[in-house]
Parts: sequence; structure tokens; C-alpha cells
Amino acid sequence: AQSVTQLDSHVSVSEGTPVLLRCNYSSSYSPSLFWYVQHPNKGLQLLLKYTSAATLVKGINGFEAEFKKSETSFHLTKPSAHMSDAAEYFCVVTTDSWGKLQFGAGTQVVVTP
Amino acid sequence: GAVVSQHPSWVICKSGTSVKIECRSLDFQATTMFWYRQFPKQSLMLMATSNEGSKATYEQGVEKDKFLINHASLTLSTLTVTSAHPEDSSFYICSARVSGSQETQYFGPGTRLLVL
Repeated sequence: AQSVTQLDSHVSVSEGTPVLLRCNYSSSYSPSLFWYVQHPNKGLQLLLKYTSAATLVKGINGFEAEFKKSETSFHLTKPSAHMSDAAEYFCVVTTDSWGKLQFGAGTQVVVTP
Repeated sequence: GAVVSQHPSWVICKSGTSVKIECRSLDFQATTMFWYRQFPKQSLMLMATSNEGSKATYEQGVEKDKFLINHASLTLSTLTVTSAHPEDSSFYICSARVSGSQETQYFGPGTRLLVL
């Protein structure tokens, strides 16, 4: 069975400082992993995805994530937070070969001036 | 990029009525669409997988007679909440996957349903 755990429900950072959102997964096969962002009252936007190519994945808006199989982790980082990064972030894993998705519980990011 | 729309974005209805939500892939064909439900401050829960021209596959615990899904074309799937009750109030989100691709799903902006 596949599962995904976001280790922090809430992260608060100062503008201009690094952001780290942690995600661990478990899977009985080689999954694809995604990070999505959801701004208030908006739809989900894909930040980046890992699909068994390069383990360091670069996404939009300066975000990147590293797939570490040995640690079953897919943490999301950004070197310098902007106010516009305040949103809910979801780590997502495919649960089967047909691409069904399972969402983590989400991490609420707050950016303070 | 691939765009998915949902209509309506907001709907308020009386208890006992039925509500239809549309999900459209605007610039690509989607053999498979997915319907999710999101409660306030919670994650998305997959309700069902909708395949064009065939019956939807529902997740465990989702009543198929309550949430009717129709995927009549490669660009349109509909979710009908039948005989809605206040506990059906939620944020409903659809996603669509490009035909022939097993990977990225593109999400609609969601439909907020409030049942009075």
C-alpha cells in the first residue's frame, strides 16, 4: 500500500529565509511523486514532479525537491521565501500504475514580513 | 499549459435538491478524470475515477447512487450530488489526465457546495 506523510502541518518563515517542507512516503513499487500548491480559494497548481528521472527536481517559482529512496523522502525547498508563497502545500504520491493519487495532509505555510 | 475548468464555482442549494457540477478539459483530451472532495482545512480525498464511455470507479465508502458521475466525452465529466443534504457541503475538485499519459493530473479550480 502507498501512503504519504507530511511531517509539518504548519510552517512559519520570514520573508527572504529558506523554506523546507518535509514529506515521507511508503510505496510497494516505484511511485511518481508530486508537490502541489493551493492558494486560498484557488485550484491546485503543480509545483514539480518526480518520475524516476533525476533525483533533484526543479519546479516553478524557485522550488525544488530531492527524491531520496534510501530515506523514502521527497522534501520541498526554496532558498528564499516570498510573501506570495503563503499557501497550502500538498505532497502527493501515485498509488497504482494507473496514476491514482494519494494526497498528504498538507502543510500550511505562513510568510511573515 | 493544460487547463481544466469547473462550473459552477459556487452553488447554494436547498436540502433534498440535486446539484450538477461540470468538469471540462479546455485544451486537451482526457480519457480519465478524477473527482475529489476537500473538507475545510483538510486534504483532498479521492471519490471516484471517471473513464470516458464507461462506468466510474468509486472509492470505498463513496455512495455511487449519491454521487452520480458521467463522462460522456473526452473533455467533459459531470458529478451530480443527488438529494443533497447539509453534510454534503464541501469543496469538490476535479482533475483530468491527458489521454495516453499516466502522469500529471491537471486540477480544476473547484466547486464550493453549500447545502442549506
